[in-house]
Amino acid sequence: GGIITQTPKFLIGQEGQKLTLKCQQNFNHDTMYWYRQDSGKGLRLIYYSITENDLQKGDLSEGYDASREKKSSFSLTVTSAQKNEMAVFLCASSIPGQDYAEQFFGPGTRLTVL
Amino acid sequence: GDSVTQTEGQVALSEEDFLTIHCNYSASGYPALFWYVQYPGEGPQFLFRASRDKEKGSSRGFEATYDKGTTSFHLRKASVQESDSAVYYCALGDPSNNRIFFGDGTQLVVKP
Repeated sequence: GGIITQTPKFLIGQEGQKLTLKCQQNFNHDTMYWYRQDSGKGLRLIYYSITENDLQKGDLSEGYDASREKKSSFSLTVTSAQKNEMAVFLCASSIPGQDYAEQFFGPGTRLTVL
Repeated sequence: GDSVTQTEGQVALSEEDFLTIHCNYSASGYPALFWYVQYPGEGPQFLFRASRDKEKGSSRGFEATYDKGTTSFHLRKASVQESDSAVYYCALGDPSNNRIFFGDGTQLVVKP
């Protein structure tokens, strides 16, 4: 088995601040994902990475940057936090090379912007 | 583009009731279909998948059958328990790009 760790668990920021969220996985999976979860809106893909140093934009990439420094880690940066923004950011990974592979999720980082 | 529609935003049941959560999809190719479950404070967990027409996926007493004709993958359970209370997500996997598209989720509340 393996685990996905997300840090921090809770993140409070100020309007306009640049904020970084981190994700680590020990599954040895090639593909990693960042999703944003808003209440009642499901999961929306921000960025994903098929392998180390690869980045692919999702449906919600504007306002975010991502970095895949090594196979086991994937970071997400909110470039300018929006006032009153509240959301949960979920990191996931999937088994390499399988078309119908399920994704494994971390517990999430809960963001609040004051 | 690919999308998933879950009809019910919230379902409230009593223990031992029968559960149905409706899921319909739209895709240009032949996608895989998934159900995920999310408990409070946790990330979504894979429940099961089906990857071809008429295939039934199942886990923990939940089941769904891939129906290409009606583009549906409805979740059912014969007798729910209070511990089944969670958010359930239907999802579609696009084999061409490693992406999974999620529905908006259905909050299941089971009262004892």
